[in-house]
Amino acid sequence: DTEVTQTPKHLVMGMTNKKSLKCEQHMGHRAMYWYKQKAKKPPELMFVYSYEKLSINESVPSRFSPECPNSSLLNLHLHALQPEDSALYLCASSRQGGGGSTGELFFGEGSRLTVL
Amino acid sequence: GENVEQHPSTLSVQEGDSAVIKCTYSDSASNYFPWYKQELGKGPQLIIDIRSNVGEKKDQRIAVTLNKTAKHFSLHITETQPEDSAVYFCAASMTNQAGTALIFGKGTTLSVSS
Repeated sequence: DTEVTQTPKHLVMGMTNKKSLKCEQHMGHRAMYWYKQKAKKPPELMFVYSYEKLSINESVPSRFSPECPNSSLLNLHLHALQPEDSALYLCASSRQGGGGSTGELFFGEGSRLTVL
Repeated sequence: GENVEQHPSTLSVQEGDSAVIKCTYSDSASNYFPWYKQELGKGPQLIIDIRSNVGEKKDQRIAVTLNKTAKHFSLHITETQPEDSAVYFCAASMTNQAGTALIFGKGTTLSVSS
Protein backbone atom coordinates (compact mmCIF):
# COMPACT_ATOMS: atom_id res chain seq x y z
CA ASP A 1 0.00 0.00 0.00
CA THR A 2 1.25 3.46 -0.89
CA GLU A 3 1.78 6.06 1.84
CA VAL A 4 0.84 8.83 -0.57
CA THR A 5 -2.93 9.19 -0.68
CA GLN A 6 -4.69 10.78 -3.63
CA THR A 7 -8.34 11.77 -3.90
CA PRO A 8 -10.53 11.36 -5.78
CA LYS A 9 -9.49 8.14 -7.53
CA HIS A 10 -11.72 9.00 -10.49
CA LEU A 11 -13.05 12.36 -11.67
CA VAL A 12 -15.23 13.23 -14.63
CA MET A 13 -15.65 16.91 -15.40
CA GLY A 14 -16.93 19.18 -18.11
CA MET A 15 -14.78 21.81 -19.78
CA THR A 16 -16.40 24.61 -17.77
CA ASN A 17 -16.11 22.94 -14.38
CA LYS A 18 -13.71 23.79 -11.57
CA LYS A 19 -12.40 20.86 -9.57
CA SER A 20 -9.40 19.96 -7.44
CA LEU A 21 -7.19 16.92 -7.00
CA LYS A 22 -5.77 16.33 -3.54
CA CYS A 23 -2.65 14.56 -2.31
CA GLU A 24 -1.51 13.83 1.23
CA GLN A 25 1.60 12.26 2.77
CA HIS A 26 2.61 11.89 6.40
CA MET A 27 6.16 10.63 5.94
CA GLY A 28 7.72 14.02 6.73
CA HIS A 29 8.85 14.42 3.13
CA ARG A 30 9.78 17.94 2.07
CA ALA A 31 9.40 17.63 -1.71
CA MET A 32 6.13 16.90 -3.49
CA TYR A 33 5.44 16.43 -7.18
CA TRP A 34 2.65 16.33 -9.74
CA TYR A 35 3.12 14.11 -12.77
CA LYS A 36 0.72 13.56 -15.67
CA GLN A 37 0.52 10.15 -17.33
CA LYS A 38 -1.33 9.36 -20.54
CA ALA A 39 -2.15 5.77 -21.46
CA LYS A 40 0.91 3.70 -22.40
CA LYS A 41 3.21 6.69 -21.79
CA PRO A 42 5.68 7.55 -19.02
CA PRO A 43 4.87 9.99 -16.23
CA GLU A 44 5.58 13.58 -17.32
CA LEU A 45 6.70 16.08 -14.71
CA MET A 46 4.35 19.01 -14.15
CA PHE A 47 5.28 20.71 -10.87
CA VAL A 48 7.72 20.32 -7.99
CA TYR A 49 7.27 21.82 -4.54
CA SER A 50 10.27 21.99 -2.26
CA TYR A 51 9.72 23.07 1.34
CA GLU A 52 6.22 24.22 0.33
CA LYS A 53 7.57 26.50 -2.38
CA LEU A 54 7.03 25.92 -6.09
CA SER A 55 10.49 25.13 -7.44
CA ILE A 56 9.79 23.61 -10.87
CA ASN A 57 6.95 24.40 -13.30
CA GLU A 58 7.42 22.49 -16.52
CA SER A 59 5.61 25.01 -18.73
CA VAL A 60 2.22 23.69 -17.70
CA PRO A 61 -0.85 25.62 -18.98
CA SER A 62 -2.42 27.99 -16.46
CA ARG A 63 -5.63 25.94 -16.41
CA PHE A 64 -3.65 23.73 -13.99
CA SER A 65 -2.91 25.55 -10.74
CA PRO A 66 -0.91 23.81 -8.00
CA GLU A 67 -1.08 24.66 -4.33
CA CYS A 68 0.89 23.40 -1.33
CA PRO A 69 -0.96 24.49 1.84
CA ASN A 70 1.53 22.74 4.12
CA SER A 71 4.28 20.15 4.01
CA SER A 72 1.81 17.23 4.01
CA LEU A 73 -0.69 18.43 1.42
CA LEU A 74 -0.56 19.14 -2.28
CA ASN A 75 -3.50 20.22 -4.42
CA LEU A 76 -3.98 20.60 -8.13
CA HIS A 77 -6.78 23.00 -9.07
CA LEU A 78 -8.38 22.42 -12.45
CA HIS A 79 -10.31 24.97 -14.47
CA ALA A 80 -11.44 25.15 -18.10
CA LEU A 81 -9.74 21.89 -19.02
CA GLN A 82 -9.72 20.37 -22.48
CA PRO A 83 -10.53 16.75 -23.43
CA GLU A 84 -6.83 16.19 -24.18
CA ASP A 85 -6.12 16.83 -20.49
CA SER A 86 -7.75 13.50 -19.69
CA ALA A 87 -5.04 11.40 -18.04
CA LEU A 88 -3.86 9.81 -14.81
CA TYR A 89 -2.50 12.48 -12.48
CA LEU A 90 0.13 11.13 -10.13
CA CYS A 91 1.32 12.74 -6.94
CA ALA A 92 4.68 11.80 -5.45
CA SER A 93 6.84 12.81 -2.53
CA SER A 94 10.49 12.46 -1.59
CA ARG A 95 12.47 13.00 1.57
CA GLN A 96 14.78 15.71 0.26
CA GLY A 97 13.76 19.18 -0.73
CA GLY A 98 15.77 21.68 -2.72
CA GLY A 99 18.54 20.95 -5.16
CA GLY A 100 21.12 18.24 -4.87
CA SER A 101 20.72 14.50 -4.72
CA THR A 102 17.28 13.08 -5.42
CA GLY A 103 15.96 10.35 -3.21
CA GLU A 104 13.29 7.78 -3.82
CA LEU A 105 9.98 9.09 -5.10
CA PHE A 106 6.94 7.56 -3.46
CA PHE A 107 3.96 7.65 -5.80
CA GLY A 108 0.28 7.63 -5.01
CA GLU A 109 -2.14 5.50 -6.99
CA GLY A 110 -3.21 8.47 -9.06
CA SER A 111 -6.41 10.31 -9.89
CA ARG A 112 -7.89 9.30 -13.23
CA LEU A 113 -9.35 12.40 -14.84
CA THR A 114 -11.78 12.40 -17.75
CA VAL A 115 -12.69 15.73 -19.35
CA LEU A 116 -15.85 15.67 -21.45
CA GLY B 1 17.66 19.14 -19.92
CA GLU B 2 17.79 15.43 -19.20
CA ASN B 3 16.67 12.94 -21.87
CA VAL B 4 16.20 9.25 -21.07
CA GLU B 5 15.95 6.59 -23.79
CA GLN B 6 14.64 3.11 -22.93
CA HIS B 7 14.70 -0.13 -24.94
CA PRO B 8 12.97 -2.35 -25.80
CA SER B 9 9.42 -0.98 -25.69
CA THR B 10 8.00 -4.50 -25.37
CA LEU B 11 9.60 -7.71 -24.13
CA SER B 12 8.07 -11.18 -24.04
CA VAL B 13 9.81 -14.02 -22.19
CA GLN B 14 9.00 -17.49 -20.96
CA GLU B 15 8.72 -18.08 -17.25
CA GLY B 16 12.14 -18.79 -15.80
CA ASP B 17 14.02 -16.85 -18.48
CA SER B 18 15.94 -13.65 -17.82
CA ALA B 19 14.83 -10.20 -18.95
CA VAL B 20 17.07 -7.21 -19.62
CA ILE B 21 15.94 -3.62 -20.15
CA LYS B 22 18.40 -0.88 -21.11
CA CYS B 23 18.38 2.89 -20.68
CA THR B 24 20.64 5.73 -21.67
CA TYR B 25 20.67 9.26 -20.29
CA SER B 26 22.07 12.53 -21.55
CA ASP B 27 22.91 14.67 -18.51
CA SER B 28 26.29 13.78 -17.05
CA ALA B 29 25.25 15.52 -13.82
CA SER B 30 22.55 12.92 -13.16
CA ASN B 31 23.47 10.89 -10.09
CA TYR B 32 20.42 8.80 -9.22
CA PHE B 33 18.84 6.10 -11.38
CA PRO B 34 15.73 4.29 -10.13
CA TRP B 35 13.61 1.63 -11.78
CA TYR B 36 9.85 1.61 -11.31
CA LYS B 37 7.28 -1.13 -11.93
CA GLN B 38 3.76 -0.08 -12.79
CA GLU B 39 0.88 -2.52 -12.77
CA LEU B 40 -2.44 -1.79 -14.43
CA GLY B 41 -4.45 0.81 -12.54
CA LYS B 42 -1.70 1.53 -10.02
CA GLY B 43 0.98 4.14 -9.46
CA PRO B 44 4.64 3.36 -10.20
CA GLN B 45 6.45 1.48 -7.46
CA LEU B 46 10.20 1.57 -6.92
CA ILE B 47 11.84 -1.83 -7.37
CA ILE B 48 15.54 -0.94 -7.27
CA ASP B 49 17.76 2.11 -7.61
CA ILE B 50 21.42 2.92 -8.02
CA ARG B 51 23.54 5.98 -7.40
CA SER B 52 26.40 7.17 -9.55
CA ASN B 53 29.09 6.10 -7.10
CA VAL B 54 28.10 2.43 -7.50
CA GLY B 55 28.44 0.20 -10.56
CA GLU B 56 26.08 -2.61 -9.68
CA LYS B 57 23.37 -3.41 -7.16
CA LYS B 58 21.42 -6.59 -6.61
CA ASP B 59 18.25 -7.44 -4.72
CA GLN B 60 17.24 -11.10 -4.99
CA ARG B 61 16.16 -11.67 -8.62
CA ILE B 62 16.64 -8.05 -9.63
CA ALA B 63 19.91 -6.29 -10.44
CA VAL B 64 20.86 -2.95 -11.91
CA THR B 65 24.16 -2.01 -13.56
CA LEU B 66 25.42 1.47 -14.28
CA ASN B 67 28.10 2.57 -16.73
CA LYS B 68 28.65 6.23 -15.95
CA THR B 69 31.17 6.76 -18.73
CA ALA B 70 28.80 5.48 -21.39
CA LYS B 71 25.76 6.99 -19.61
CA HIS B 72 23.73 3.84 -19.63
CA PHE B 73 22.15 1.61 -17.02
CA SER B 74 20.31 -1.68 -17.24
CA LEU B 75 17.76 -3.71 -15.31
CA HIS B 76 18.22 -7.48 -15.11
CA ILE B 77 15.45 -9.76 -13.88
CA THR B 78 16.37 -13.43 -13.49
CA GLU B 79 14.03 -16.43 -13.13
CA THR B 80 11.08 -14.37 -14.34
CA GLN B 81 7.61 -15.18 -13.04
CA PRO B 82 4.16 -14.29 -14.44
CA GLU B 83 3.72 -11.73 -11.67
CA ASP B 84 6.70 -9.83 -13.09
CA SER B 85 4.47 -8.88 -16.02
CA ALA B 86 4.03 -5.09 -15.89
CA VAL B 87 5.36 -1.87 -17.39
CA TYR B 88 8.86 -0.97 -16.23
CA PHE B 89 10.21 2.58 -16.30
CA CYS B 90 13.77 3.70 -15.84
CA ALA B 91 14.42 7.24 -14.65
CA ALA B 92 17.29 9.63 -14.12
CA SER B 93 17.58 12.57 -11.77
CA MET B 94 17.46 16.04 -13.22
CA THR B 95 18.78 19.01 -11.30
CA ASN B 96 18.63 22.62 -12.34
CA GLN B 97 18.67 25.93 -10.53
CA ALA B 98 15.04 25.48 -9.59
CA GLY B 99 15.24 22.04 -8.05
CA THR B 100 15.49 18.30 -8.60
CA ALA B 101 13.11 15.78 -10.11
CA LEU B 102 13.06 12.48 -12.02
CA ILE B 103 12.76 12.18 -15.78
CA PHE B 104 11.36 8.86 -17.03
CA GLY B 105 12.09 6.67 -20.02
CA LYS B 106 9.21 5.66 -22.28
CA GLY B 107 8.67 2.33 -20.54
CA THR B 108 8.98 -1.37 -21.35
CA THR B 109 5.96 -3.66 -21.28
CA LEU B 110 7.21 -7.01 -19.97
CA SER B 111 5.07 -10.09 -20.55
CA VAL B 112 6.06 -13.33 -18.83
CA SER B 113 4.20 -16.38 -20.09
CA SER B 114 3.95 -19.62 -18.15
